Amino acid sequence: GESVGLHLPTLSVQEGDNSIINCAYSNSASDYFIWYKQESGKGPQFIIDIRSNMDKRQGQRVTVLLNKTVKHLSLQIAATQPGDSAVYFCAETVNDKVIFGPGTSLSVIP
Amino acid sequence: NAGVTQTPKFRILKIGQSMTLQCTQDMNHNYMYWYRQDPGMGLKLIYYSVGAGITDKGEVPNGYNVSRSTTEDFPLRLELAAPSQTSVYFCASSRTSLSNQPQHFGDGTRLSIL
Repeated sequence: GESVGLHLPTLSVQEGDNSIINCAYSNSASDYFIWYKQESGKGPQFIIDIRSNMDKRQGQRVTVLLNKTVKHLSLQIAATQPGDSAVYFCAETVNDKVIFGPGTSLSVIP
Repeated sequence: NAGVTQTPKFRILKIGQSMTLQCTQDMNHNYMYWYRQDPGMGLKLIYYSVGAGITDKGEVPNGYNVSRSTTEDFPLRLELAAPSQTSVYFCASSRTSLSNQPQHFGDGTRLSIL
């Protein structure tokens, strides 16, 4: 389930299930969006991106959905694996400035 | 290619000390950035550079300085360390502007000011 507070929102999923991580972005003029994965002790790593003229983009086991009407971005991970355990955060770009979300911690239960 | 390399990985400083966080990239990227990451918060931009010899302030520049004498290197300087600067610092780079491409990040420097 999810919890929000002083700590990062967390999402726990069973290995093999699909994961959906959500992000509400702030600026309706944002035109480019990125999902990053950050493993413990590492820097953020690019997963997938999407431009504002698209509403869906697929990669290998990952799909990003963009709903500009409600300023919402989601990352779907198919067949979640233990190696997917990490913090995931979205970033929006407007006027060459990037705004990062606080992140969601994904925990995969074997 | 090593990508973006940051040194040191960890450091403990006393209040008032100074230090330089090193960052180098081997991708020939024009743009480089310094961020700080505090628990439960998104990355905050400290300084950035669009090319050698050019630097600009980001969202939280106070207490920091940078220089960009070469395309590869973008060091971050703390002159008088304060407890509020305890954080994880990430350096990143991108080939051009951020309007259509992601950034490449180093693995961070974990800094504690005591």
